[in-house]
Amino acid sequence: LAKTTQPISMDSYEGQEVNITCSHNNIATNDYITWYQQFPSQGPRFIIQGYKTKVTNEVASLFIPADRKSSTLSLPRVSLSDTAVYYCLVGDGMDSSYKLIFGSGTRLLVRP
Amino acid sequence: DAGITQSPRYKITETGRQVTLMCHQTWSHSYMFWYRQDLGHGLRLIYYSAAADITDKGEVPDGYVVSRSKTENFPLTLESATRSQTSVYFCASRDRTGASNQPQHFGDGTRLSIL
Repeated sequence: LAKTTQPISMDSYEGQEVNITCSHNNIATNDYITWYQQFPSQGPRFIIQGYKTKVTNEVASLFIPADRKSSTLSLPRVSLSDTAVYYCLVGDGMDSSYKLIFGSGTRLLVRP
Repeated sequence: DAGITQSPRYKITETGRQVTLMCHQTWSHSYMFWYRQDLGHGLRLIYYSAAADITDKGEVPDGYVVSRSKTENFPLTLESATRSQTSVYFCASRDRTGASNQPQHFGDGTRLSIL
């Protein structure tokens, strides 16, 4: 199972774009990259998932280079409510995604 | 309301007691999971279930028991609670259908303190 490495914490200001990079050097061919967000006293919430290139939804973009050994979660114009812990995970599909390993995540603090 | 609910939200008990944490989901998802999250750390998988009557161990199963007689319920039991089991417990579910990874949907957790 691919292990992921993320920065422990990041600081930003309201209105800025935030990019959180995750390293997953041992990613396997069938692995997807998934990001979750967790607020205090709540369970993690799915943000975005991708396999290669770029994926965009209403809340974030996910950039995955051709070698897939890293990925970058991009949050456009963050607000105070984006202060949370962000987890990057890799997993290879239906039968074994239960093995998703949550690391310590990246603690994002958005300041006024 | 559709979703995944955990009960109780908070629980205080004593060492040696049996405690059951409840998890209920309304989506009819095949997969259900139990995680624990200790202060300042990520989540660790305790047990998971691929369908009713099918369960299997995760990363940290010792001291826990699960059952799944119905698709929508996945209770977690601590048969004889220990202080090291003080933690926040999250239940999650995931659909089986679809070609790609289906994301897990999490409840809001049960904060369990064992004195």
